[in-house]
Amino acid sequence: AQSVTQLDSHVSVSEGTPVLLRCNYSSSYSPSLFWYVQHPNKGLQLLLKYTSAATLVKGINGFEAEFKKSETSFHLTKPSAHMSDAAEYFCVVSEGGGSQGNLIFGKGTKLSVKP
Amino acid sequence: EAGVAQSPRYKIIEKRQSVAFWCNPISGHATLYWYQQILGQGPKLLIQFQNNGVVDDSQLPKDRFSAERLKGVDSTLKIQPAKLEDSAVYLCASSWNRDTKFFGQGTRLTVV
Repeated sequence: AQSVTQLDSHVSVSEGTPVLLRCNYSSSYSPSLFWYVQHPNKGLQLLLKYTSAATLVKGINGFEAEFKKSETSFHLTKPSAHMSDAAEYFCVVSEGGGSQGNLIFGKGTKLSVKP
Repeated sequence: EAGVAQSPRYKIIEKRQSVAFWCNPISGHATLYWYQQILGQGPKLLIQFQNNGVVDDSQLPKDRFSAERLKGVDSTLKIQPAKLEDSAVYLCASSWNRDTKFFGQGTRLTVV
């Protein structure tokens, strides 16, 4: 069965400093992995997805994630945090290995950005 | 392109009452999903429709929850009777080919 573990429930950074949100996955298949962002009172928005092409995936708003099979990790990074990045971030794996399966969400990491 | 629309945005009910949520997916999206997001957790799939047929409802508590998508477009999710533990945000999502899912803003339900 597929699952994801987000290693930090809350991350706080200063504006302009790098962001690192950690995610480990467990999958019997070659996984499809996603990061979603949820701003307060807004719907979930897809940041980026990995579907067995390039291991370094670039997403929207300057975010990127690297798929590391040896470490079973899919950490989300951004070189320089902006105040508007404050939100909750979810690491997600698609059930069954393909990108069309049911989404299994991690518990989320709340990102705070200090001025 | 209009997004996934959900209503109401907020609902407060007493336990044992019934409640219904509505979702209008993105036009042309054949697949529709309902997720439950309890505070502090990630969303969990309740039910998935392909057009007007149910694909997966294995996580739906069928003794109190029901959902329908009669014409393969809009969908309603109902809870009857509600319990305190049903307090959550109910998210609707849709996709064209079961690939990228687009989410609505959700309905925040509080059961008191």
